[in-house]
Amino acid sequence: DVKVTQSSRYLVKRTGEKVFLECVQDMDHENMFWYRQDPGLGLRLIYFSYDVKMKEKGDIPEGYSVSREKKERFSLILESASTNQTSMYLCASSSRGQGRGNTIYFGEGSWLTVV
Amino acid sequence: SQQGEEDPQALSIQEGENATMNCSYKTSINNLQWYRQNSGRGLVHLILIRSNEREKHSGRLRVTLDTSKKSSSLLITASRAADTASYFCATAYFSGGYNKLIFGAGTRLAVHP
Repeated sequence: DVKVTQSSRYLVKRTGEKVFLECVQDMDHENMFWYRQDPGLGLRLIYFSYDVKMKEKGDIPEGYSVSREKKERFSLILESASTNQTSMYLCASSSRGQGRGNTIYFGEGSWLTVV
Repeated sequence: SQQGEEDPQALSIQEGENATMNCSYKTSINNLQWYRQNSGRGLVHLILIRSNEREKHSGRLRVTLDTSKKSSSLLITASRAADTASYFCATAYFSGGYNKLIFGAGTRLAVHP
């Protein structure tokens, strides 16, 4: 069974803290994604990676950075957390192949509250 | 900017009834996908329909795609309380050298016993 695991389900951080959200997939997928989800706004893409050490900005990259040192792991970093980054963060992965289109598999989400 | 827009934003029905959700999008797509999200959880892929397909079935799910109107619909037949969730359409298109997937804001479905 496919598995995308996010390390933390719930986090509370203080304004200005550096925050790491970790994600691991066990499907040998080339592509990995970080989305944030806010009420009424759906999912918005922050960053994605199509290979180790490669990254591309999504729609809302400001205030975030990412790291992909290994194929199975994709980290989202908030360099200095702010209250407007309070949100649910979803990690996802997909195969580069076209056999299933670009269906993506999601983790369970990480609820981040910045106080 | 959002590519897919779901309609209605919320839907409340009784068990056994059918639920229809609609999705409209703006640009040409490679395929359109529907996902389900239970409260507070991640999204789960339900069904994918390619741009050259008009209708697709999977169990109690029926998806249609009208590329001339840039719209899709998801029909859940004989709904159950367990179908209560949010449903998202996602449009896939090729841009800047990558396949991109853009999600709408979702439809919240409540199925009452």
